[in-house]
Amino acid sequence: DADVTQTPRNRITKTGKRIMLECSQTKGHDRMYWYRQDPGLGLQLIYYSFDVKDINKGEISDGYSVSRQAQAKFSLSLESAIPNQTALYFCATSDPLAGATDTQYFGPGTRLTVL
Amino acid sequence: AQKVTQAQTEISVVEKEDVTLDCVYETRDTTYYLFWYKQPPSGELVFLIRRNSFDEQNEISGRYSWNFQKSTSSFNFTITASQVVDSAVYFCALSGGGSNYKLTFGKGTLLTVNP
Repeated sequence: DADVTQTPRNRITKTGKRIMLECSQTKGHDRMYWYRQDPGLGLQLIYYSFDVKDINKGEISDGYSVSRQAQAKFSLSLESAIPNQTALYFCATSDPLAGATDTQYFGPGTRLTVL
Repeated sequence: AQKVTQAQTEISVVEKEDVTLDCVYETRDTTYYLFWYKQPPSGELVFLIRRNSFDEQNEISGRYSWNFQKSTSSFNFTITASQVVDSAVYFCALSGGGSNYKLTFGKGTLLTVNP
């Protein structure tokens, strides 16, 4: 089984709809992240969480919110989706105690289309 | 501020050719980490390697090798005897040490290996 899972894998929605993307991990990592990837660009950080009570905004948090329900679960919400939020979304996890390297491991991605 | 530049947007080679993907970085941190990730056509992000700033030894893993040179702020990736399965987008990324978790990605290089 995959260590980091994302649901759904693909989603098409309409402008103005609320949508939630979910991420679960079995790696036991404390840190979790949400990124978006747009065609031809690298990844941009939306939100990150260092533990259940610690949530922080990344570079492009406007229009997004998150919830860290447990160590293993980190959800990303689009309260009112708009077309320019069409992108590939990745969840990632890392463990700073693993040799102080903090390598991030990514989920398979969720392809979101907002019409 | 951290920055990662992958000047090669796209590279096309014929199978069995060697290919080098360039990565140049900027950081003010004295301790930092460099990464390479692979994104095959299926879309997931696969971690390939992590290097810390104190270890300039080159690394070889099968057909993959990495050349880290602090003097030129470069962390280049070479694939020897390329194969069609190597076709992917490759991302170079940089993070600071300690509490500077932030992973800064380059925009990626699309490698196409033709049969």
